[in-house]
This record gives sequence, C-alpha cells and structure tokens, in this order.
Amino acid sequence: KAGVTQTPRYLIKTRGQQVTLSCSPISGHRSVSWYQQTPGQGLQFLFEYFSETQRNKGNFPGRFSGRQFSNSRSEMNVSTLELGDSALYLCASSLEGGNEKLFFGSGTQLSVL
Amino acid sequence: SQKIEQNSEALNIQEGKTATLTCNYTNYSPAYLQWYRQDPGRGPVFLLLIRENEKEKRKERLKVTFDTTLKQSLFHITASQPADSATYLCALVTGPGSARQLTFGSGTQLTVLP
Repeated sequence: KAGVTQTPRYLIKTRGQQVTLSCSPISGHRSVSWYQQTPGQGLQFLFEYFSETQRNKGNFPGRFSGRQFSNSRSEMNVSTLELGDSALYLCASSLEGGNEKLFFGSGTQLSVL
Repeated sequence: SQKIEQNSEALNIQEGKTATLTCNYTNYSPAYLQWYRQDPGRGPVFLLLIRENEKEKRKERLKVTFDTTLKQSLFHITASQPADSATYLCALVTGPGSARQLTFGSGTQLTVLP
C-alpha cells in the first residue's frame, strides 16, 4: 500500500505570492490533517478534513486554507506569503481521525524569500 | 496555559544503555497519548499509543508509561542502538469526539553513541 504522498517536495516563493500544496492520503483513509513544522514552534496543527469537510482547525490566520476532494486527496493554500511562513508543511492521514495514529508524508519544504 | 514539555532538547547516551525520554503536560486531560519518531527531512512515524486507563505499553525494545496524576509519560528504549538516533515526539489526543486532534510536544533529539 502506498504511503502518504506530498507534492512538491521543495518550493521557493517570494513574499506576497500564494502557494498550493498537495497531499494524497493512504488509500481508504478519509481523514487528512495538515501541520506546520518550524525549528522554533515545532509541529503546529493547521486543520483536519474528513469526508470533504473541515472538521477541526488550529490557530492560524485566514491566509491558510484547505480543501478535500471526494477521493480524499487534499490541498492547502497559503495566500499573501510572509517570511514567517517558511516551514516544513506536513500532511497526515488516518482512517477516521480522532484518537487514531497518523501516517505522515515527507512534507513540503517551503521557503519564502 | 496549555503546555507540553519534553525533557531537554538533546539527549546523548551510550549504545546498549536505556534511553528515557520524558513528556510532561499541563492543563490538558488527554484521553490518549502517542509517541512518534522523526528522522531529518522526513515526517514523523508512529511508534506507540497508550490510553489514559493504561499504565504501561510495550513493543519490542520500546516501553511507554502514562501517569495521569503526575501528568507525565515516560518513553524508554532499552538496549539502544545508533540506529535509534532520531527526534522523538510525544503527542496528546485532546478535544471532544470528532473535534479530537493531536497536539505535539517540541521533541527530544536522541543520539546513541557507538
């Protein structure tokens, strides 16, 4: 069974631009969560999608948004990029979410110049 | 405020010894606690899950304890090997029902010296 796939692996953008990151969960998994990881803040929860609906949201500004498609694939979007958005963005999937273990992708390393 | 603290950012031990990592939390009432391993440039990998009514869980050389009175979990790696070198993250499962989410500690970087 293929693992969680995130694309692209690396991305370089400039301030003010927007970016879209993609995540394909493990087949059969309906819950997809997104995390931001930085050296200073560690892993911070962005949001979770389940059956195309956002079920949970962390404390991030509205510039961060996401969606989930009927095949459970998910995208997250960051608009008006700031230097502080430079981070490793990780996607994780599970069957139903909640207290289940998460399966993480390798992440997208975003650098904002 | 809510906080999850993992002991010292870095821990160095000698091969063959037991590594003990600590996860302390305040102002949380987690139903579950999970431990993950993360290697550089990769996403975390799930290791163990322990429920609030379980005191201890084992898997091969790994052992996790969960003390809800002390608000602490200990993670042990026995007979440690250089291949165990990685960052270890604890995560609390918090929130009601479908709003449950995983909140991660900042991690402990373990180095096992040959």
